[in-house]
Amino acid sequence: NAGVTQTPKFQVLKTGQSMTLQCAQDMNHEYMSWYRQDPGMGLRLIHYSVGAGITDQGEVPNGYNVSRSTTEDFPLRLLSAAPSQTSVYFCASSYSTATNEKLFFGSGTQLSVL
Amino acid sequence: GQQVMQIPQYQHVQEGEDFTTYCNSSTTLSNIQWYKQRPGGHPVFLIQLVKSGEVKKQKRLTFQFGEAKKNSSLHITATQTTDVGTYFCAGPNNNAGNMLTFGGGTRLMVKP
Repeated sequence: NAGVTQTPKFQVLKTGQSMTLQCAQDMNHEYMSWYRQDPGMGLRLIHYSVGAGITDQGEVPNGYNVSRSTTEDFPLRLLSAAPSQTSVYFCASSYSTATNEKLFFGSGTQLSVL
Repeated sequence: GQQVMQIPQYQHVQEGEDFTTYCNSSTTLSNIQWYKQRPGGHPVFLIQLVKSGEVKKQKRLTFQFGEAKKNSSLHITATQTTDVGTYFCAGPNNNAGNMLTFGGGTRLMVKP
């Protein structure tokens, strides 16, 4: 199993550009989520999904969209990038949260918005 | 909303010294998880604590969950250079489908 796969690893955008961060998992996990990591602020939840076709907002959802058309994929879209979105983005998955299963993280995407 | 705080934010230790990071939640937690992130890497699950007052050990690492289930700690005995990284605690957020809310992390640096 590859686990959680994120692409790209690095990306530089200009303000106003759009892009999609890809995330795929092959563990048949129901729960998937996106976090951003900024210095001193830990990991903050952007959006999450509890299953195909179901998504919801996390702590910092503004400026981001998500969709979950399949169990495996959970892309994160930036419609109009802003410098405040410069961060490291992690996708994570878990079997469930009924007993708060552990999260499996992807390797991250380092995004810079100029 | 729910807040999870960690102290200290940074810690420099000499190799062989002990290290402790503390985690406090604004709400009672059903459980708490700890993760380690190596420099340039991604967070990796270490352990989950569920019971009030629970203590678990992994080799030189000792994890505690407070009696009120609002605080936790991670203690490393005789640190090694392999312990370098950022340690995060995380608790389920009832307002976000029980997804995890993470503390700000404690970055551990070990001088050989």
